[in-house]
Amino acid sequence: KQEVTQIPAALSVPEGENLVLNCSFTDSAIYNLQWFRQDPGKGLTSLLLIQSSQREQTSGRLNASLDKSSGRSTLYIAASQPGDSATYLCAARNDYKLSFGAGTTVTVRA
Amino acid sequence: DGGITQSPKYLFRKEGQNVTLSCEQNLNHDAMYWYRQDPGQGLRLIYYSQIVNDFQKGDIAEGYSVSREKKESFPLTVTSAQKNPTAFYLCASGQGRNQPQHFGDGTRLSIL
Repeated sequence: KQEVTQIPAALSVPEGENLVLNCSFTDSAIYNLQWFRQDPGKGLTSLLLIQSSQREQTSGRLNASLDKSSGRSTLYIAASQPGDSATYLCAARNDYKLSFGAGTTVTVRA
Repeated sequence: DGGITQSPKYLFRKEGQNVTLSCEQNLNHDAMYWYRQDPGQGLRLIYYSQIVNDFQKGDIAEGYSVSREKKESFPLTVTSAQKNPTAFYLCASGQGRNQPQHFGDGTRLSIL
């Protein structure tokens, strides 16, 4: 059974600092890994999808890396802004199923 | 705009009552999913459907039922057998294993 862990559970940084969010998974036989953002009381917004054959994926200030053999993915957010405050979830895909971590709640202080 | 619509946004259930959560998508995706989110926990899969008229149980299907009569629609019924239904319910859709899943805005279910 796939187990996905995100550490830390919460993170507070001053505006402008780079954010590093970690995701680990136990079963390396994944198709892909997806990063999401969730605002309070809202659904999930897809940020990045990294295929199992890729090492990284970039979108604007966001960069996600994937090391399938060690079961790790990292989401980097450059030059954080207060608008980046949210919960970030990662999900590993095995066949039909996404397995989610519990998320990292980020607060960016102005 | 293409997307996933969940309704209602808030729902209250009385003891012994079944309630149905609506999920509609206009993304033309074959697959649809229902997840449950509890505070401090990751999303857990309730049911999924990869094609019309077919659906499969996920990890926590007990006390829930679904139907998939149309490609666009995947309603979830929370039955009276579900003893702890208070949670945030999220519907998602996707097309193929290598494409991202997209989510609706969720329905928050509470007990009266």
